[in-house]
Amino acid sequence: DVKVTQSSRYLVKRTGEKVFLECVQDMDHENMFWYRQDPGLGLRLIYFSYDVKMKEKGDIPEGYSVSREKKERFSLILESASTNQTSMYLCASSLPMDYGYTFGSGTRLTVV
Amino acid sequence: KNQVEQSPQSLIILEGKNCTLQCNYTVSPFSNLRWYKQDTGRGPVSLTIMTFSENTKSNGRYTATLDADTKQSSLHITASQLSDSASYICVVSARSGGSYIPTFGRGTSLIVHP
Repeated sequence: DVKVTQSSRYLVKRTGEKVFLECVQDMDHENMFWYRQDPGLGLRLIYFSYDVKMKEKGDIPEGYSVSREKKERFSLILESASTNQTSMYLCASSLPMDYGYTFGSGTRLTVV
Repeated sequence: KNQVEQSPQSLIILEGKNCTLQCNYTVSPFSNLRWYKQDTGRGPVSLTIMTFSENTKSNGRYTATLDADTKQSSLHITASQLSDSASYICVVSARSGGSYIPTFGRGTSLIVHP
């Protein structure tokens, strides 16, 4: 069964901490995405990557960075966590020809 | 600007009843439309995907329709079960060069009561 695995289901961090959210897919997908999901706002794209070592900003990249050193792994980094980054974070992957996304189970991050 | 609007925002029905969720979009050029189901605290899972030439697609008790002329889609759930309680998200993709840009709706929250 194909999978997108996010390293943590729940995470609590303090304001100012550097936070790493990890995502690994086993489907050999070229495309990987990071979204955040907030009540009433739906999914919003933070960053995406179409290939190893490449990245593109999404709609809300401020306060975030990403790393894709290997095809299967896409990391989201909060350089200095703030309370307004408390959210559900979803990783997804897809083939280049848009045959649909496979989502991870999500990481619920709370910044206190 | 590409937009996807879903209605209703939330819906409560009794177990065993049918319901229909709506999705209207202004996305161009249209590539495909997908419906996802998202259980609370989990990631979205794909239910159906439809391209321009398809106007209906079923997945068990879920049936999606697409009217590309009016840019509307619906998701019909038959004989609802308690496990259908979830958020249902409509996603419409536009083709941009060699890329596909998805636009997400905000979802319809469905609660099925016994």
